[in-house]
Amino acid sequence: DAKTTQPPSMDCAEGRAANLPCNHSTISGNEYVYWYRQIHSQGPQYIIHGLKNNETNEMASLIITEDRKSSTLILPHATLRDTAVYYCIVRVLSGGGADGLTFGKGTHLIIQP
Amino acid sequence: EPEVTQTPSHQVTQMGQEVILRCVPISNHLYFYWYRQILGQKVEFLVSFYNNEISEKSEIFDDQFSVERPDGSNFTLKIRSTKLEDSAMYFCASIVDRRTEAFFGQGTRLTVV
Repeated sequence: DAKTTQPPSMDCAEGRAANLPCNHSTISGNEYVYWYRQIHSQGPQYIIHGLKNNETNEMASLIITEDRKSSTLILPHATLRDTAVYYCIVRVLSGGGADGLTFGKGTHLIIQP
Repeated sequence: EPEVTQTPSHQVTQMGQEVILRCVPISNHLYFYWYRQILGQKVEFLVSFYNNEISEKSEIFDDQFSVERPDGSNFTLKIRSTKLEDSAMYFCASIVDRRTEAFFGQGTRLTVV
């Protein structure tokens, strides 16, 4: 069963910030939150991951609530090329837990011109 | 930037035939994976491979499937006797270790006719 819940689709205007929510209310203390995206049936692409602190890289920011039950991926200035399916995944990094990634249905983000 | 490469990009095969899908993971990576995605459905984990043996496999990965790392660079997925329902995109992925992000190839589209 999926450990995360995401809205099936979202729209965002080009140039605006896209905020993608993810609910992971059953996350355990040693599970990280990962975000990947898949552009039109290409291979999934890693975006960012975090444990409890907010994280930022050149692609996005990840905001994790204090209770870790939900998170938000932020694409600060969305472009048309950001149209993709975004997957929120929780997993243990080492020492047990599933080895492979478990993908849900994700959020289909559509950037509107 | 290093990348995972997969060949061929598209393979058409007759039902009952054997197919071998090839992947060249990133050179210093140690963990290798195969995933598949049936058209319109989720990305599904098939198998993980580390230290020249399978470390985990899903229910999908039955006796018809096998993986091999025949030399220091290639990682292959063999389907012994293809069925119509094996038609899907097959993605190879690799990671340095379980604390790092996965890099995916662009996939091989397998069509069984």
